[in-house]
Amino acid sequence: AQKITQTQPGMFVQEKEAVTLDCTYDTSDPSYGLFWYKQPSSGEMIFLIYQGSYDQQNATEGRYSLNFQKARKSANLVISASQLGDSAMYFCAMSPASSSNTGKLIFGQGTTLQVKP
Amino acid sequence: EAQVTQNPRYLITVTGKKLTVTCSQNMNHEYMSWYRQDPGLGLRQIYYSMNVEVTDKGDVPEGYKVSRKEKRNFPLILESPSPNQTSLYFCASSLDTGATDTQYFGPGTRLTVL
Repeated sequence: AQKITQTQPGMFVQEKEAVTLDCTYDTSDPSYGLFWYKQPSSGEMIFLIYQGSYDQQNATEGRYSLNFQKARKSANLVISASQLGDSAMYFCAMSPASSSNTGKLIFGQGTTLQVKP
Repeated sequence: EAQVTQNPRYLITVTGKKLTVTCSQNMNHEYMSWYRQDPGLGLRQIYYSMNVEVTDKGDVPEGYKVSRKEKRNFPLILESPSPNQTSLYFCASSLDTGATDTQYFGPGTRLTVL
């Protein structure tokens, strides 16, 4: 079964510190994409970062990096130097090749991050 | 600016009053999709469209209609809304549906059906 698991319902981090949000995935597809989205309290779903299953290097986008451990089927998001504006719900999502006929993204349950001043 | 737009952002309506939520993208994407997000149920796909004039049902299509007459637009139609369609709705688009294609989401539409 294709599944994304985010085991941390809520997390706190001190401003300017780094934080890691966990994501594990389950798929038998050899080809898949992994994504992280941010959903602030205003509701939008904002794309943050992408990692392909065949990518040799971990993806980075500014303060966001993805710690991709393929053998462990994990794709953790690392946010460096947290800012108050990082307070939001974060979703890990997967696009397995076998879903290309529908394009449906498989989402995790989300992790709420609160950044403390 | 490359984006997906949705309108309205917020809507309160009554049972049975037909409504349309518009979605438009300016990235020349082939693929578009609608999701609804509900507490405890996550995001569920309603309908999707691989390209113009091609649409298909997702996981929860009951009570919804869509059309894709132009590449950029993908409206969601609720012919007779009911309270169980109260939800946060997202339109998304991507170049294609491969594993490497990033889906970009609109800002969401908060719908309340009384």
